[in-house]
Amino acid sequence: NAGVTQTPKFQVLKTGQSMTLQCAQDMNHNSMYWYRQDPGMGLRLIYYSASEGTTDKGEVPNGYNVSRLNKREFSLRLESAAPSQTSVYFCASNRQGGTSGSSDEQYFGPGTRLTVT
Amino acid sequence: GEDVEQSLFLSVREGDSSVINCTYTDSSSTYLYWYKQEPGAGLQLLTYIFSNMDMKQDQRLTVLLNKKDKHLSLRIADTQTGDSAIYFCADLTSGSARQLTFGSGTQLTVLP
Repeated sequence: NAGVTQTPKFQVLKTGQSMTLQCAQDMNHNSMYWYRQDPGMGLRLIYYSASEGTTDKGEVPNGYNVSRLNKREFSLRLESAAPSQTSVYFCASNRQGGTSGSSDEQYFGPGTRLTVT
Repeated sequence: GEDVEQSLFLSVREGDSSVINCTYTDSSSTYLYWYKQEPGAGLQLLTYIFSNMDMKQDQRLTVLLNKKDKHLSLRIADTQTGDSAIYFCADLTSGSARQLTFGSGTQLTVLP
């Protein structure tokens, strides 16, 4: 059981380049999330997918797109990278999607460290 | 929008207790969480508390919740150097989205 995996671990892009960050979970979770982490700002939600086939914007969606390819995989795409997108990106998942009555623990991947020059 | 706040830094001596504090604004929070992040790693859930509880103890960890003041704390007894990390408080947004709102994190440094 690998949990939540992310690729790549590190990436350097030039301004204007595009790339896709990959995330997969093997826990049969319904919901998946993409966060970015910046110093002194905690984690901010970019996009989430409450269930397969649905995606919704979080707090900071501008400049990003997502695809929930299937129940296991949730990718994050930067179409035209900007220096402001230099950050550490975390994918997370949890087993409940849109239901109440559980602790809804989110499980996190190890992160992708992205630098845009 | 809702907000979760923490102080940024805390230093303690090895063997002492650490207390990390957090305040939140969402009065309808159902669960509140403490996550730990070690350098270069993702977040790991340490513990959580349901909003109808005021205390939860788990080995060296004690979580206190004051719903009236919207204040959450994490006490680590007998703090060890391996406890040095960033600790995040998070609350679960009410409603169907089930999103977490995170604080900015508290960097705990344990001095020998």
